[in-house]
Amino acid sequence: GENVEQHPSTLSVQEGDSAVIKCTYSDSASNYFPWYKQELGKRPQLIIDIRSNVGEKKDQRIAVTLNKTAKHFSLHITETQPEDSAVYFCAASWDTDKLIFGTGTRLQVFP
Amino acid sequence: DAGVIQSPRHEVTEMGQEVTLRCKPISGHDYLFWYRQTMMRGLELLIYFNNNVPIDDSGMPEDRFSAKMPNASFSTLKIQPSEPRDSAVYFCASSFWTGGLYNEQFFGPGTRLTVL
Repeated sequence: GENVEQHPSTLSVQEGDSAVIKCTYSDSASNYFPWYKQELGKRPQLIIDIRSNVGEKKDQRIAVTLNKTAKHFSLHITETQPEDSAVYFCAASWDTDKLIFGTGTRLQVFP
Repeated sequence: DAGVIQSPRHEVTEMGQEVTLRCKPISGHDYLFWYRQTMMRGLELLIYFNNNVPIDDSGMPEDRFSAKMPNASFSTLKIQPSEPRDSAVYFCASSFWTGGLYNEQFFGPGTRLTVL
């Protein structure tokens, strides 16, 4: 069935370093891949998304890459800052109206 | 727009009691989603509606859970009777489709439910 796997579950980096979070999906019909950031005690909020007709998308320090052949997509955060510390969720949509979320990655950025 | 509104923000109840969670989606959005978030199971989709009609309730854990959307601006998620394992944060989210393209889901602030 529909499934999204996310790795790693926790990630610690030094301020200024890069962070990479990876997700794989099960169904090749997936066509929409958003990333959400959830700060402690807050709601998930969209930070970037990519559609299946695009291989890469950037927004300042954040970028997402998509490899449809391998069925995986990744979030890249460069020049990390303490305020990047949060839980990040990837998700995928299978030509339907709903999203299937990954299990989340807790990112800690140490000053 | 005020965004997605949920009430109550916190609910503490005793096992066996009925719990009703409420959600007001963003005006103009035609999709509404109910999620449950726990440490063990992450973010789970319970049910979602399109134009007030339930489309997929396969994530509803048991018959104790029910959801309604009587109009475009209001939805409820009810648990009766509640159990301690229902303790979680429940999020409501809304979105809309344009030209066949999926759009961002906007989440509400969540309701933290504790069942004693």
